[in-house]
Amino acid sequence: GAGVSQSPSNKVTEKGKDVELRCDPISGHTALYWYRQSLGQGLEFLIYFQGNSAPDKSGLPSDRFSAERTGGSVSTLTIQRTQQEDSAVYLCASSLPSSSYEQYFGPGTRLTVT
Amino acid sequence: DQQVKQNSPSLSVQEGRISILNCDYTNSMFDYFLWYKKYPAEGPTFLISISSIKDKNEDGRFTVFLNKSAKHLSLHIVPSQPGDSAVYFCAASGGTSGTYKYIFGTGTRLKVLA
Repeated sequence: GAGVSQSPSNKVTEKGKDVELRCDPISGHTALYWYRQSLGQGLEFLIYFQGNSAPDKSGLPSDRFSAERTGGSVSTLTIQRTQQEDSAVYLCASSLPSSSYEQYFGPGTRLTVT
Repeated sequence: DQQVKQNSPSLSVQEGRISILNCDYTNSMFDYFLWYKKYPAEGPTFLISISSIKDKNEDGRFTVFLNKSAKHLSLHIVPSQPGDSAVYFCAASGGTSGTYKYIFGTGTRLKVLA
């Protein structure tokens, strides 16, 4: 079956522009996670969606970051007024709600802010 | 404040020998631990997990050891194979982080030499 897909795979944007990153989770996975990996850092939790529950946004670094998940499936992470420190690989993962330890990751979107 | 630390950024091991990857954590409330493996240009994939009620979990060539008093876990790969060359992340959850929010280390790049 299809795994988690993310688009675009690479994105170069100018400082101050808005960007949207997309994630298609595995069908049937109601849990969806966004992470960020900056150079030399571990995976940093950003946001968690589970079904129709309110998302856990506690990892979002600033109010320039937002995410939504439409119809319990596809998710979009939006970064407004991008800054150079936003440059990172953004990873999306999905899982069954009872198996949050076994998250299936997409290949990531490499964002470069110039 | 890095709650999960992988102090060795890289490790080289001869094929057939044992690879030992280490991970330290600071939060005594963590109660579930994971290892993920990541190949270049791919998302991380789940490898093995351990609950804090155990001190060892084995899956084929992979064994994870947990030393709660030392707040230390390690991943042993025996025998190491060239295909094991990848970046390995440890992660932990529990306490105020909740059951789904994993704190990841910065990773250790393993190179298995043929």
